[in-house]
Order: sequence, then C-alpha cells, then structure tokens
Amino acid sequence: DAGITQSPRHKVTETGTPVTLRCHQTENHRYMYWYRQDPGHGLRLIHYSYGVKDTDKGEVSDGYSVSRSKTEDFLLTLESATSSQTSVYFCAISGALDEQYFGPGTRLTVT
Amino acid sequence: GNSVTQMEGPVTLSEEAFLTINCTYTATGYPSLFWYVQYPGEGLQLLLKATKADDKGSNKGFEATYRKETTSFHLEKGSVQVSDSAVYFCAPGNQFYFGTGTSLTVIP
Repeated sequence: DAGITQSPRHKVTETGTPVTLRCHQTENHRYMYWYRQDPGHGLRLIHYSYGVKDTDKGEVSDGYSVSRSKTEDFLLTLESATSSQTSVYFCAISGALDEQYFGPGTRLTVT
Repeated sequence: GNSVTQMEGPVTLSEEAFLTINCTYTATGYPSLFWYVQYPGEGLQLLLKATKADDKGSNKGFEATYRKETTSFHLEKGSVQVSDSAVYFCAPGNQFYFGTGTSLTVIP
C-alpha cells in the first residue's frame, strides 16, 4: 500500500463552477502525477510535479491547473468545469524504479 | 522515448485456462518494465516488474520475462480465475501514457 488518498471520491458539479481535487501521500515521494481516464482514451497525463512548487504540463493540461505547496499534497483545480471534464481522475506517485503507485480515483461528473 | 505495443482486447477465457497478453516495447537503453492491473472501480496497481534483461517478474501466479532479443514482456498465467477479471497495462518506467490496456474476463 503506497499510502495515497484522494478526496473527494465522488463529485457532481455544474458547468462553470470551480472544482478542486486533492491528492495526499504519506510516502514523501518527490514526483506526483494527475491523470484522467476516459473510455477509449486510456489514462492520460494532465500535470505532474517534481517537487514543492515545481510543476509541469502533461498531454491534456488545458482547463486544469495544479499546485503543490507541501510534499504530501498535490491539488488539481478545474477553474470552470465543463462537461468534457467529466471523467475519473487518478493521482499517482513514482517509486525508485520509475514504477507508479495510484490512488483510488475521483469520479467527477459535470452537469 | 520509451513506448509499448500491447495486445488489444477484450480477452475472454474460461476458468483454469492459460493466459498470455502480449507486450512489445521500444526503448532507449533498457528501462524497467512493469505490468499493472486495474480492477473495476479501482486505480491501477503494480502487478509485477522486471528491472533488466532476462529478469522474470512474478506475482499472484502471473509471470513476465524481460526479453531483450525480442523486445517483449508478455504476461502469462497458467490457470486463470474469475477473480483475475480486470484490465491489464504494460508500461516501461517513466512512461506517462498507459493506453486502454487489455481487458480480461474469466468465465466460470
């Protein structure tokens, strides 16, 4: 168990509202990631972090921002949610061999 | 960069059948290779790993051998169970796209 939690686990929100998802790790790992998983598209990287206040964009970063003020927390924010952002969001950390450990996921529905 | 080509699914097998899911990789050098499994409603879990050529990773009855000659890392299990029904992903280290994986359904 890699000690990764995500909150909330489920959320329904309306189009145009801001949403923040939280990822918390207890392993003190440097690298953290946010992915989204959609049918037919697999898991795609949104943003990642390589240290406190050090972040970079992934493949599908438009409409998302991230922040990392502490090693253990990595926040994903949808500034103004759209229906295309309905998805399952996974947080992950990477280990010493570049393997990844995933959180349980957050199911987000934008109506 | 590193990438993999994974066998398309879905795969449906009867309980106790032999499983092979093919995975071939292209890489600079010899990165660690991994198989992940995702059960319904959960995140991906690391199933097994191999860190160098000719290494065999194994876990829960699953095995995969890092074959440098054929650039392959095929997942095998001798006798699948209903509880093995899941989606399986092959990935090299430091890869950030996992594709759609291979869906396995095992029927009693």
